[in-house]
Amino acid sequence: SQQGEEDPQALSIQEGENATMNCSYKTSINNLQWYRQNSGRGLVHLILIRSNEREKHSGRLRVTLDTSKKSSSLLITASRAADTASYFCATDARNNNDMRFGAGTRLTVKP
Amino acid sequence: DGGITQSPKYLFRKEGQNVTLSCEQNLNHDAMYWYRQDPGQGLRLIYYSQIVNDFQKGDIAEGYSVSREKKESFPLTVTSAQKNPTAFYLCASSIERGTYGYTFGSGTRLTVV
Repeated sequence: SQQGEEDPQALSIQEGENATMNCSYKTSINNLQWYRQNSGRGLVHLILIRSNEREKHSGRLRVTLDTSKKSSSLLITASRAADTASYFCATDARNNNDMRFGAGTRLTVKP
Repeated sequence: DGGITQSPKYLFRKEGQNVTLSCEQNLNHDAMYWYRQDPGQGLRLIYYSQIVNDFQKGDIAEGYSVSREKKESFPLTVTSAQKNPTAFYLCASSIERGTYGYTFGSGTRLTVV
């Protein structure tokens, strides 16, 4: 069964604006990861945040994790048209041998 | 360059036919995974393998089979028992859970004709 659920399902913004996507999950996790998928392509790993971490940065990406609320957010600052893609969260749960992916947020950045 | 290669990129299957999707990696990763993605949906796990000669069923293994005879290779066979095989299939590998993410191939789009 899918573990993470992203919100919103779709997001459309103008170039230069910030984009925020949220992910909620249900069970205890070892870590949570965010991936990006361009249409018809494989997923690309963006960032991993461990259960004992609260915030992590990578370039224009900022990820937060709140284990008490079982939620995470991905912030993309100063968005570009090239950021247009689907973004997925994936949870590495403590009682699983694999990761579970949500349905994704489809981000459109208009030039 | 290291990576995962999936082939073919597009595959057409006739009713009642078995087809095999290839997945090869040269990353020296121990674990490999097969996911299915339907339009507008997330990834669902079909099978995974953590070491050679061992594999486990995922959430939707019915109608699929795999083998892991070599560390580098994890082929997926879509059998005639899979009634709705049209989907995008993604292979992934990982080296150390909890430290690094998964590396994905570019996918195979399977269509029943």
